[in-house]
Amino acid sequence: EAGVTQSPRYAVLQEGQAVSFWCDPISGHDTLYWYQQPRDQGPQLLVYFRDEAVIDNSQLPSDRFSAVRPKGTNSTLKIQSAKQGDTATYLCASSLNSGNTLYFGEGSRLIVV
Amino acid sequence: GDSVTQTEGLVTVTEGLPVKLNCTYQTTYLTIAFFWYVQYLNEAPQVLLKSSTDNKRTEHQGFHATLHKSSSSFHLQKSSAQLSDSALYYCALSDLTGGNNKLTFGQGTVLSVIP
Repeated sequence: EAGVTQSPRYAVLQEGQAVSFWCDPISGHDTLYWYQQPRDQGPQLLVYFRDEAVIDNSQLPSDRFSAVRPKGTNSTLKIQSAKQGDTATYLCASSLNSGNTLYFGEGSRLIVV
Repeated sequence: GDSVTQTEGLVTVTEGLPVKLNCTYQTTYLTIAFFWYVQYLNEAPQVLLKSSTDNKRTEHQGFHATLHKSSSSFHLQKSSAQLSDSALYYCALSDLTGGNNKLTFGQGTVLSVIP
């Protein structure tokens, strides 16, 4: 069974540029999560979906970050006007709502200079 | 809200000796589960252990942990550390209230096993 797939694996931006990260969850998993993992810190939840609906986006910086999951499968996280403080690894995870184990992708590492 | 605390940023242990990684938590949620995730260099975090039952020992791959709600702890232990155990370990709390399923992670502890 294929795991969670993320792309791109790496991105280097100048401040002010935009980037989109893509995530393909494990087939059949209804819940999808985006976490931000700054260097030397634990992952911090940004947003999560059940099917196509946003369940919690309270930690998503809404002025520059957006996330969608239009068909309840793949998801895109977009950062507009990136700042140096956005430098982190962005992890996507999926789970079956009935179970509570999250399965993570390898992450997309963003460096903003 | 809730929080997870891992007090050690780095634990170094000699191969073959026991190791313990500390994890404590604060939560107001009633329906919860606990996890230890391990992240090897340049890989995704993967679940190592999980538990939602108070005072029940959970084991996997030589590691074990027991949830103690009385002390709000879920420490990870192994009796004999191996070189291959060197990795970043996260303790995480899952809020399952009302059908939710989101993880709150601790800061992580790097385990370094030396020969």
